[in-house]
Amino acid sequence: AQTVTQSQPEMSVQEAETVTLSCTYDTSESNYYLFWYKQPPSRQMILVIRQEAYKQQNATENRFSVNFQKAAKSFSLKISDSQLGDTAMYFCAFMPSNSGGYQKVTFGIGTKLQVIP
Amino acid sequence: EAQVTQNPRYLITVTGKKLTVTCSQNMNHEYMSWYRQDPGLGLRQIYYSMNVEVTDKGDVPEGYKVSRKEKRNFPLILESPSPNQTSLYFCASSLALTSSPLHFGNGTRLTVT
Repeated sequence: AQTVTQSQPEMSVQEAETVTLSCTYDTSESNYYLFWYKQPPSRQMILVIRQEAYKQQNATENRFSVNFQKAAKSFSLKISDSQLGDTAMYFCAFMPSNSGGYQKVTFGIGTKLQVIP
Repeated sequence: EAQVTQNPRYLITVTGKKLTVTCSQNMNHEYMSWYRQDPGLGLRQIYYSMNVEVTDKGDVPEGYKVSRKEKRNFPLILESPSPNQTSLYFCASSLALTSSPLHFGNGTRLTVT
C-alpha cells in the first residue's frame, strides 16, 4: 500500500513571496504519477500540476513548479510570486501506473496555505 | 462544458433516513469514484467504478452503496446514515488511463444528526 505524507498542516506566505509545500510518499512501485490539487474555500478540487515518475525533468505550470526527488520519494510544490488567490488547501496525491486497469489514488492530509496581503 | 455535477451541495438529515447523493459526468469517462474528506484525514476513497455495472470497494466502504447503471451516473447511497458519516463528499471521474487526472465535482457537505 502507498502512503502520502504532508508534514505541514498549515503555512503562510506574504503576497509576492515564494513558498514551498512538502510531500513525501512511500511505495514499492517503479512507475507512478504524482499530483498536486488545490482546494480553495469554494471547495472545488483543482489540478495544479502533475509529474510522471519516469520523467526526470521537474514539471512546471506558470508560477507552480515541483521538485521531484525520486530516490528520496519527495515531491514538493513551489509557488512563486504568491497571490491572494493561492489561499487554499493543497493536497499531494499518488497514483500507481501499474494499477491493473483501475486508478488507486492516495491523497495526503493536506496543507492549508494562507497568503497574507 | 465538461464537468462533474454533484447534488445536493448541502444536505442535513437524521440518523437512519436513507439518502442518495447524485453524481453525473458529461465527459464519457469510464472511471468514476467517491471520496470523503475529513479534517486531518485527507480524502479517502469509498467506492469506485471502472465502467457500467463494474464497481468495487475503496478504503472506507462501510455504510455506503453505489450503482453504475449508466456510464454517466454514479450515485452514492446511504441506506441508514449515522453521525460518523457527517463529512464532505466528492465524486470524481476520469478516462480509464492511469495518466489521466481526476475531475472532481463541487462536493456535498453532509450532516447527519
